[in-house]
Amino acid sequence: QKEVEQNSGPLSVPEGAIASLNCTYSDRGSQSFFWYRQYSGKSPELIMSIYSNGDKEDGRFTAQLNKASQYVSLLIRDSQPSDSATYLCAVNRGRASKIIFGSGTRLSIRP
Amino acid sequence: EAQVTQNPRYLITVTGKKLTVTCSQNMNHEYMSWYRQDPGLGLRQIYYSMNVEVTDKGDVPEGYKVSRKEKRNFPLILESPSPNQTSLYFCASGLGQGKGGSQFFGPGTRLTVL
Repeated sequence: QKEVEQNSGPLSVPEGAIASLNCTYSDRGSQSFFWYRQYSGKSPELIMSIYSNGDKEDGRFTAQLNKASQYVSLLIRDSQPSDSATYLCAVNRGRASKIIFGSGTRLSIRP
Repeated sequence: EAQVTQNPRYLITVTGKKLTVTCSQNMNHEYMSWYRQDPGLGLRQIYYSMNVEVTDKGDVPEGYKVSRKEKRNFPLILESPSPNQTSLYFCASGLGQGKGGSQFFGPGTRLTVL
């Protein structure tokens, strides 16, 4: 079992709809959780971080964390073609700063 | 402009020829890290550094060395490169101390080892 798991996709969502991306992790000691977006041929860029259970909203993005279920998700509202990218989930293990990334979910927004 | 720079951006080399990929950040970040990205395997952490003179292994450190003599620089050294080290390499810097996952990534270095 991978330590951080994501559905590789591609996930196809119509423009204007809500895109829902999911991530599960295996280490219960994980404390910090991050979503990165990576356009093809580019480097990852941080879009959301979340540290406690519940929802965190930033513009069209909402991150959701459920530590009991070891589950973190990213919702993108009013999806735009520019949201088409690979989304990487990352987890910070405990107090150490060793970071584990999932293999990413490819999101495609269709007009 | 706040940034992480890497050099070279592209490199083709031969097995066994030592090489160094440089990484520099201008954000005064304590935390720096190196990753490799391979199709189907995602981003895997090679080494990270919490501060000057403090480095630690990530998940795939074999065949790599790093040093952190200055806060801004974190070079990646391949003493004897092999074809299985052909990959896309990213350097990143961040706030560290539990927020180490909040990172800024460099543009990447595409390495081919023949």
